[in-house]
Amino acid sequence: GQQVMQIPQYQHVQEGEDFTTYCNSSTTLSNIQWYKQRPGGHPVFLIQLVKSGEVKKQKRLTFQFGEAKKNSSLHITATQTTDVGTYFCAALSGNTGKLIFGQGTTLQVKP
Amino acid sequence: NAGVTQTPKFQVLKTGQSMTLQCAQDMNHEYMSWYRQDPGMGLRLIHYSVGAGITDQGEVPNGYNVSRSTTEDFPLRLLSAAPSQTSVYFCASSRDSGSSYNEQFFGPGTRLTVL
Repeated sequence: GQQVMQIPQYQHVQEGEDFTTYCNSSTTLSNIQWYKQRPGGHPVFLIQLVKSGEVKKQKRLTFQFGEAKKNSSLHITATQTTDVGTYFCAALSGNTGKLIFGQGTTLQVKP
Repeated sequence: NAGVTQTPKFQVLKTGQSMTLQCAQDMNHEYMSWYRQDPGMGLRLIHYSVGAGITDQGEVPNGYNVSRSTTEDFPLRLLSAAPSQTSVYFCASSRDSGSSYNEQFFGPGTRLTVL
């Protein structure tokens, strides 16, 4: 079935450094979503990308969808301690309606 | 709106016991789903429903049952709890499935320990 691979699993950065997490699929995706989960909390929707090559920005966060719609990335510029948490990508599995999540990237930020 | 609610927040079971995790949403969402979250495994889909009366299996359905008799409620039943089912369980809902925009709203989670 549909699998979405996410790397890296963990990332430790110094506050002010940049951070990137990548999401890859062996099949073409109809769309991709990104979620953030704070420690002890539940996943919260950040954004959805639909179009090939799409780039969206939310303040210091930049989301990209690959031209072939098989990969996506989330880039955070100048990380802050409030960025700490686990970032997940998620994609629909075919036409089933199933939303499959990547394994997540846990970000730690040292002040 | 309360959004997505889950009860209980915490639960400890003994091996072999059964229980039901409750999930409800008040947003009139068609799509509801259950995930379990384990360290290093991300969120894995257990069961999902695209509307009242319709359910289907996700990635890890064994040991779990669901039903969807109303739009609002989507309970998850553990038939005979096993230590491997120790996990954090999240219920989620969205307006519909397969559309171009289907933001998932998650409940606060149920932390289950099976001894």
